[in-house]
Amino acid sequence: ETGVTQSPTHLIKTRGQQVTLRCSSQSGHNTVSWYQQALGQGPQFIFQYYREEENGRGNFPPRFSGLQFPNYSSELNVNALELDDSALYLCASSLVLAGEETQYFGPGTRLLVL
Amino acid sequence: AQSVAQPEDQVNVAEGNPLTVKCTYSVSGNPYLFWYVQYPNRGLQFLLKYITGDNLVKGSYGFEAEFNKSQTSFHLKKPSALVSDSALYFCAVRDTSISGGYQKVTFGTGTKLQVIP
Repeated sequence: ETGVTQSPTHLIKTRGQQVTLRCSSQSGHNTVSWYQQALGQGPQFIFQYYREEENGRGNFPPRFSGLQFPNYSSELNVNALELDDSALYLCASSLVLAGEETQYFGPGTRLLVL
Repeated sequence: AQSVAQPEDQVNVAEGNPLTVKCTYSVSGNPYLFWYVQYPNRGLQFLLKYITGDNLVKGSYGFEAEFNKSQTSFHLKKPSALVSDSALYFCAVRDTSISGGYQKVTFGTGTKLQVIP
C-alpha cells in the first residue's frame, strides 16, 4: 500500500451543506495534492499544498478550500455543495526533492450529494 | 498548458498476449510522465515514471513504457497479459518548465484494459 489514508471512505450530503474530507500523507512528504474524479473520468487537479501553503490551483471555485498541517495530515473543505460535486476525491502525497516527485494516492473518499 | 490523450476507451487482449495502452502528451517544456492503475472502488496505484534517461522504463508488475519524444508518446506495454491486469489505466504528465515546487499533474481520461481468459 501507499501509506496514504483518507477518511471517511463514503459520505452522503445534501445540496447546500458543507463537507470536510481528511487525508494522512506518508511520513516526511511535504506536498499534498487533491483531485476530483467524476464517474468515468480521470482525476482533475483541485489544488496542491506545499509546506502548509497552497501553491497551485486547478479550475475549481473558491468554495473548495484546504489545509495542510505539520503532522502530514490535510483537509479538503467544500462549501455550498452542489449535485455535480458528487465524485471520488483523492489525495496524493509526495516529497518534492530537486523537482522530482512521484505522487502516492490514498484510496479516496466517495462523496454523494443529493 | 499541459494535456494528455488516451485515444482508446477500452483495450481487449487475450491472456498471454502482449498488451499496449496508448498515451500521447503535450507540454511546453520537458515532461515527467507517469502511469497509474486503478482497480474498482480503489485509489490510483503508481506503476512507473519517466523523468530522464533511458527511453524504456520498467515498472511494477512486469509493466514497461516507452518514451518517444518525437511522437510525444508514452505507451504502456506488457509482454504477456494476465487476467489480474484487468483494470483502469491512467497516463499523467507534469510540465517541468513550471517551477517553484508547484506540481500540477494532468491525467488522461483513462483506458479500461480487459484481459480475456
